Amino acid sequence: QVLLQESGPGLVKPSETLSLTCRVSGDSIRSGHYWGWIRQPPGKGLEWIGHIYPGGSPYHNPSLETRVSISVDSSKNQFSLKLISVTAADTAVYYCASIGQKELDFDYWGQGSVVTVSS
Amino acid sequence: DIQMTQSPSSLSASVGDRVTITCRASQSISSFLNWYQQKPGKAPKLLISAASNLQSGVPSRFSGSESGTDFTLTISSLQPEDFATYYCQQSYRTPLTFGGGTKVEIK
Repeated sequence: QVLLQESGPGLVKPSETLSLTCRVSGDSIRSGHYWGWIRQPPGKGLEWIGHIYPGGSPYHNPSLETRVSISVDSSKNQFSLKLISVTAADTAVYYCASIGQKELDFDYWGQGSVVTVSS
Repeated sequence: DIQMTQSPSSLSASVGDRVTITCRASQSISSFLNWYQQKPGKAPKLLISAASNLQSGVPSRFSGSESGTDFTLTISSLQPEDFATYYCQQSYRTPLTFGGGTKVEIK
């Protein structure tokens, strides 16, 4: 059973950088999955942010392309999200997830990290 | 981007009812369509991948089908634990996109 756990600040000021980490347990981050991030604004639907394969180039949502970076730290079995220049529109629950290589289905999810952008 | 249009956006049903949720893709996505269930305050849970492959541990009352660019999630006999919001997601091409969701409520 793969377990994912997000961590990071719950409050970020406008124009600053949102940073989240997802620790993976129960599996190696090099097991063959992609690893990704999805967010959900309050009361709204799901938005794919991006994903990465360890050792590969990340894929980002073009709507966030200029502000987002996703990286993997295989030595710590974790991956990270950075979103720069945040605004109130970035307030959301941020989920990390593992993604099957073949179907690109989000098969395991973290419990979610609530991030509020406010001064 | 590939747009995923889900219908209805909400529905009311009774325990034991047969429920059908539809997701239409704006272009051909082959069978690259996944379904998720989300309960309030929880992360989504993968129910079905590749349009019709039921995930391990998911009750057999859930099924998925496809016809061209139209995809259907069917719950054959709605149970109390099935009241939730359901999302489709295309994985044919990035950006990966989700439908707007269908909230299944108790009648």
